[in-house]
Amino acid sequence: SQTIHQWPATLVQPVGSPLSLECTVEGTSNPNLYWYRQAAGRGLQLLFYSVGIGQISSEVPQNLSASRPQDRQFILSSKKLLLSDSGFYLCAWNRGMNTEAFFGQGTRLTVV
Amino acid sequence: TQLLEQSPQFLSIQEGENLTVYCNSSSVFSSLQWYRQEPGEGPVLLVTVVTGGEVKKLKRLTFQFGDARKDSSLHITAAQPGDTGLYLCAGQLYDKVIFGPGTSLSVIP
Repeated sequence: SQTIHQWPATLVQPVGSPLSLECTVEGTSNPNLYWYRQAAGRGLQLLFYSVGIGQISSEVPQNLSASRPQDRQFILSSKKLLLSDSGFYLCAWNRGMNTEAFFGQGTRLTVV
Repeated sequence: TQLLEQSPQFLSIQEGENLTVYCNSSSVFSSLQWYRQEPGEGPVLLVTVVTGGEVKKLKRLTFQFGDARKDSSLHITAAQPGDTGLYLCAGQLYDKVIFGPGTSLSVIP
């Protein structure tokens, strides 16, 4: 069966510090991978998506970047965090168009 | 620009009542999905609708995809406290999955 792992679950970081959130998928190959950010009680904002190794599409110009160094690994990074980067970050994967998206448990990031 | 809009944003009803949540867009999607999310967790898929005019039923939940594939509705019959949560519609544009802002439903016993 397929599983998705996302860590850490919670993170408190000072303004100006770097960020690295990691997401890995098991039990499938060549998945589409997604990073979303969610404000409290609201919808998911698509940040980045990837259809293959090294292929990254950015949806929102901002302080974040993403990388896909391996087929089932997706990393969200920042060189210098801002207060506005606080939020709930979710990684997801699917098999392609019109298929179910499976989500990780999310990372609650608080920038102080 | 918000590609997907949902209404209402918040809904609080008594147990046993019926409700409808709407998802609208000016864009045509290859499919629309409905997800339900609990606090602190990732969304979980309820249904995928692909064909314009399609209607799907999942126990007390009825989902409809508009004929032009730009909108969808979710109808819940005889709501129960266990239906409480954030309901999100999501549209697929090629490889992108775009989510609406969500409808927060609270069912009061």
